[in-house]
Amino acid sequence: DIQMTQSSSSFSVSLGDRVTITCKASEDIYNRLAWYQQKPGNAPRLLISGATSLETGVPSRFSGSGSGKDYTLSITSLQTEDVATYYCQQYWSTLTFGAGTKLELK
Amino acid sequence: DVKLVESGGGLVKPGGSLKLSCAASGFTFSSYTMSWVRQTPEKRLEWVATISSGGSYTYYPDSVKGRFTISRDNAKNTLYLQMSSLKSEDTAMYYCTRDPGGNSHYFDYWGQGTTLTVSS
Repeated sequence: DIQMTQSSSSFSVSLGDRVTITCKASEDIYNRLAWYQQKPGNAPRLLISGATSLETGVPSRFSGSGSGKDYTLSITSLQTEDVATYYCQQYWSTLTFGAGTKLELK
Repeated sequence: DVKLVESGGGLVKPGGSLKLSCAASGFTFSSYTMSWVRQTPEKRLEWVATISSGGSYTYYPDSVKGRFTISRDNAKNTLYLQMSSLKSEDTAMYYCTRDPGGNSHYFDYWGQGTTLTVSS
């Protein structure tokens, strides 16, 4: 199975920061990558599919980029409601998720 | 609005069985591939099973193959997950999810989940 590595399990952020979360696949996943946001007590919410396509209703401060094995979720000007855990998921082959990156306020 | 409501979770002894259900509403259930995804106590997400819109095709990871069976009743707009030979590592929150369609297997809607605990 393809392993998905999110380089940071957590990091501290401040409101207004630009935040970059990375996800690396163990092999090329041809942009078959989704990003999810999960807040405590809630189910994950789909933010981005196809590595770069923002889902309807997701604020435009979220964006996705990358290709091959390396992908990034960016948040410009972090808002309070963005404090959450973010997961990547590849769907090029047997579906697998990254371990998550938790954003915490400084 | 799309709504997915899971039920059937509980406490089961190792080796036991349990059947989860997911009631779907707000969309044409019979047109969508559906899946179960679980989240472990360590917050790791794992794909568990997928079933095609008509129910003819099912897919599982090796970790549950032969123990779990996904099924659906399109007349009742309900998705199921029959789990047997349960192990402690199956302890998780189980989410019912919708696949957006086409050849893309990610999850655009999630239920709120139902919890399975496997313990003696």
